[in-house]
Amino acid sequence: DGGITQSPKYLFRKEGQNVTLSCEQNLNHDAMYWYRQDPGQGLRLIYYSQIVNDFQKGDIAEGYSVSREKKESFPLTVTSAQKNPTAFYLCASQSKDRIGYGYTFGSGTRLTVV
Amino acid sequence: RKEVEQDPGPFNVPEGATVAFNCTYSNSASQSFFWYRQDCRKEPKLLMSVYSSGNEDGRFTAQLNRASQYISLLIRDSKLSDSATYLCVVSVYSSASKIIFGSGTRLSIRP
Repeated sequence: DGGITQSPKYLFRKEGQNVTLSCEQNLNHDAMYWYRQDPGQGLRLIYYSQIVNDFQKGDIAEGYSVSREKKESFPLTVTSAQKNPTAFYLCASQSKDRIGYGYTFGSGTRLTVV
Repeated sequence: RKEVEQDPGPFNVPEGATVAFNCTYSNSASQSFFWYRQDCRKEPKLLMSVYSSGNEDGRFTAQLNRASQYISLLIRDSKLSDSATYLCVVSVYSSASKIIFGSGTRLSIRP
């Protein structure tokens, strides 16, 4: 079955440590997105990529980095510069031919700073 | 002002009731509209797209009013399983397709 796989489901980070969240899709979707969700709040866009080897900053890119070396993969690195990284991180993808049809989301990664 | 605004709720209604949510958006260039459902600690899932003519899917009806820039979701004969947070989503097609999520409206159905 096609879908988006995020890993790990839960991640604990020490202060000052970089961590990378994985997002893989086998839907042949062109566009991929990373969102952050804090308790009781909506989703905020971190980074997005519409084609391989290209990505754009979203609304809250500071302290994060991404790469898009393959169509299937869009990993997110939470760097030590991100001062408040504890949140629920969601990866999504979308076919450029179906822009009006909404996103498909992965099941998310819960990141906690310890 | 937020680009997409929703009443956060919570809405607490008895099983079988009809409940309606509204959502307003500020960007008149918005072109696609959706309602997503998010269960506690889970990812959002597409509930339905919202079309200009309005659309219905079983007990769910979505309406779009472009002139007033709002969309609505009506749930009839609510079930316990409808308890969730409902996210209003607006898509703006510019040089980079931008999708904006509302903060969500929490719905709780009581027996």
